[in-house]
Amino acid sequence: SQKIEQNSEALNIQEGKTATLTCNYTNYSPAYLQWYRQDPGRGPVFLLLIRENEKEKRKERLKVTFDTTLKQSLFHITASQPADSATYLCALEGGKLIFGQGTELSVKP
Amino acid sequence: DAGVTQSPTHLIKTRGQQVTLRCSPKSGHDTVSWYQQALGQGPQFIFQYYEEEERQRGNFPDRFSGHQFPNYSSELNVNALLLGDSALYLCASSMTKGRSNGYTFGSGTRLTVV
Repeated sequence: SQKIEQNSEALNIQEGKTATLTCNYTNYSPAYLQWYRQDPGRGPVFLLLIRENEKEKRKERLKVTFDTTLKQSLFHITASQPADSATYLCALEGGKLIFGQGTELSVKP
Repeated sequence: DAGVTQSPTHLIKTRGQQVTLRCSPKSGHDTVSWYQQALGQGPQFIFQYYEEEERQRGNFPDRFSGHQFPNYSSELNVNALLLGDSALYLCASSMTKGRSNGYTFGSGTRLTVV
């Protein structure tokens, strides 16, 4: 069955550093891979989408890579800020979204 | 421009009861999907509606049913509630053409079954 896994442990980093989150998947060939941010008690907010034929996508301080051979996506936040603290969700899309369990990021000042 | 609106925000029900949750999609979106999110987990896909029909369904029992109206709004119904149905229920809207803009989620309905 399709399986998607993210960093199981929370990620704690210092302000200004680069946060790197990992998303691995098996038994699936998604057309798109998406990243969302979720704050406590709120719905996920769309951040970035990368297509299967794209290697890298950037948006301001965010960067996503997509390796369909390794079946892995990396999500980077450069120059991280305390306001970036949230749970980040990776999702595969093939007509519906299949989410990972999320990685909680905490950026300390 | 209003995003996705869900109601109610919180709900407490007793085991065995029935519940109806409502969702108004973002303006211009024609597809509505419902997700269940347990505490500490990622959202789980329940089903998706397009043109008033259920287009896809996840691994949820028939107790979960839905409806989409001509104005694209949607309802999620859950019958014979179980304690395990306690979760955050999320509605997401999208355009069938142009999914490259991602999905827009509402803030969810927090359902507690006691």
